Amino acid sequence: ELKVEQNPLFLSMQEGKNYTIYCNYSTTSDRLYWYRQDPGKSLESLFVLLSNGAVKQEGRLMASLDTKARLSTLHITAAVHDLSATYFCAVEPGYALNFGKGTSLLVTP
Amino acid sequence: EPEVTQTPSHQVTQMGQEVILRCVPISNHLYFYWYRQILGQKVEFLVSFYNNEISEKSEIFDDQFSVERPDGSNFTLKIRSTKLEDSAMYFCASRRQGSTEAFFGQGTRLTVV
Repeated sequence: ELKVEQNPLFLSMQEGKNYTIYCNYSTTSDRLYWYRQDPGKSLESLFVLLSNGAVKQEGRLMASLDTKARLSTLHITAAVHDLSATYFCAVEPGYALNFGKGTSLLVTP
Repeated sequence: EPEVTQTPSHQVTQMGQEVILRCVPISNHLYFYWYRQILGQKVEFLVSFYNNEISEKSEIFDDQFSVERPDGSNFTLKIRSTKLEDSAMYFCASRRQGSTEAFFGQGTRLTVV
């Protein structure tokens, strides 16, 4: 059974601080996705990582992929309140996305 | 910007009733999906659809569920006899051929009472 594990599941951090969210998965997959979800809203695609060593950055978020370790990270730099949301990673070993449980991020002043 | 649209945004139904959730995928997309998210839990895959047929389905997608593309634009999910545990947010997604990225709709919140 494919497992996608995120940690932490809950994260409260102060504005201006840095932190990393981790996503481990249990099967071979060359595609790793990060999504953002605001409360009651849909899933917004943040990053698609397609190969080992891929690194992508958008604003204060940077995602990386290590397919050998089956690990992806989402690094938050100098957090701001607008980043408060739930972040999901997902892998796609075949036909559909398998999501992690999500990391609920709260950025406080 | 093209987007996946879902209707209704919220549906309340009595247990045992049939519901149809509707989705209009992005117009040039060929792959369609339904996912669901029970409140506070992760997003779960239900079914994928390509070339007018189901390509894959999960264990959740049992005989109570069906999907249809009745015309060139709509993609529907039908639940024949709803149960309390079907209460969830249902997301439709679509993807263009050759693309790795799926786009999600805003979701339909289904509440079974």
